[in-house]
Amino acid sequence: NAGVTQTPKFRILKIGQSMTLQCTQDMNHNYMYWYRQDPGMGLKLIYYSVGAGITDKGEVPNGYNVSRSTTEDFPLRLELAAPSQTSVYFCASSYGSGLAGETQYFGPGTRLLVL
Amino acid sequence: GQQLNQSPQSMFIQEGEDVSMNCTSSSIFNTWLWYKQDPGEGPVLLIALYKAGELTSNGRLTAQFGITRKDSFLNISASIPSDVGIYFCAGINAGNNRKLIWGLGTSLAVNP
Repeated sequence: NAGVTQTPKFRILKIGQSMTLQCTQDMNHNYMYWYRQDPGMGLKLIYYSVGAGITDKGEVPNGYNVSRSTTEDFPLRLELAAPSQTSVYFCASSYGSGLAGETQYFGPGTRLLVL
Repeated sequence: GQQLNQSPQSMFIQEGEDVSMNCTSSSIFNTWLWYKQDPGEGPVLLIALYKAGELTSNGRLTAQFGITRKDSFLNISASIPSDVGIYFCAGINAGNNRKLIWGLGTSLAVNP
């Protein structure tokens, strides 16, 4: 298993540009999550999904959109990039059933710089 | 949003020393998780705790689920240079739809 994979690893955007951060998991997990981590800070939940076709807002959803057309993929879309979106973005997944199923597994992250 | 109180914020220790860090919450949790994040990487799960009072070890790491269900601690014994990183606690309470609530992390530096 590759686990959770994210692309790209690093990207520089100009203000107002758009991009999609890709996330794929091969563990057949039902739940997937997008977090952002600002320097020296913890993780903040942007969006999450409990299964294909179902998404919901997290703590900081403004400026982002997500879709979940398959179990494996959970892309995060930035429509009009702003400097405040400079951050490291982590995708995670969990099985979502039972106590052990709540454990989240993380991808390596995408570092985004908006100038 | 809700966050856990994690302390200390940072530690600088000598190789071979033991380390202790903890997390507290004002609400009850069903699950406590401890993650480590290496520089430039995503968090990796170290230990998961599912029952109040549970004490679990993973090599030199030991973590406990507090009996009140509002706290957890992580101990690292005989630290080595590769223990360097940021340690995060995270918890799940029953009414939170499996969303993790995170601490702000403990940054650990180990002097060889």
